Amino acid sequence: GAGVSQTPSNKVTEKGKYVELRCDPISGHTALYWYRQSLGQGPEFLIYFQGTGAADDSGLPNDRFFAVRPEGSVSTLKIQRTERGDSAVYLCASSLSGTGATDTQYFGPGTRLTVL
Amino acid sequence: AQSVTQLGSHVSVSEGALVLLRCNYSSSVPPYLFWYVQYPNQGLQLLLKYTSAATLVKGINGFEAEFKKSETSFHLTKPSAHMSDAAEYFCAVSAFYSSASKIIFGSGTRLSIRP
Repeated sequence: GAGVSQTPSNKVTEKGKYVELRCDPISGHTALYWYRQSLGQGPEFLIYFQGTGAADDSGLPNDRFFAVRPEGSVSTLKIQRTERGDSAVYLCASSLSGTGATDTQYFGPGTRLTVL
Repeated sequence: AQSVTQLGSHVSVSEGALVLLRCNYSSSVPPYLFWYVQYPNQGLQLLLKYTSAATLVKGINGFEAEFKKSETSFHLTKPSAHMSDAAEYFCAVSAFYSSASKIIFGSGTRLSIRP
């Protein structure tokens, strides 16, 4: 079946602009995660959804970042007033349940965001 | 709090040689531990994970890792390197008990294979 998909694959924007990044999880996966990977670093957790609700948003760096998952499937990460420091690859992952030893997170290819 | 430290940002081995990528973890609760691989221009792929069932974990592509609680280590090994193993490898940890299963990643080790 299809894996996790993310659109766009690349996004170039200007400082101060608003951007939306989309994630389509694997069908049937109730858990969805957003991570951010800066150049030369490992992925950094941003937010975790269980169904439609954000179960853990402790990784969001500030109130310019917001994410939604209104129907428990597709999720959108929204960044307001972008800054050059927001440039990174934004990764989305999904898993079947979000709990338990057998639960595995499957990652999408990411969206590379460049803020000029 | 949980964290992982990967020793060596870049490791280079000859084709056919042993691969050893080092990872030490810190966790106040029993951990789940992972190794992920990231090939150029591709997404993260799970190599293997430790979930307390067995201390020696076998993964895909001939890789394995051993959980050593006394050393707080989870090093990744492969007996014989192939050119196709060249990639970025990430060690990671998450909380064993938590329902919020976010993963904390290390900074990565780039593996190069010499012909």
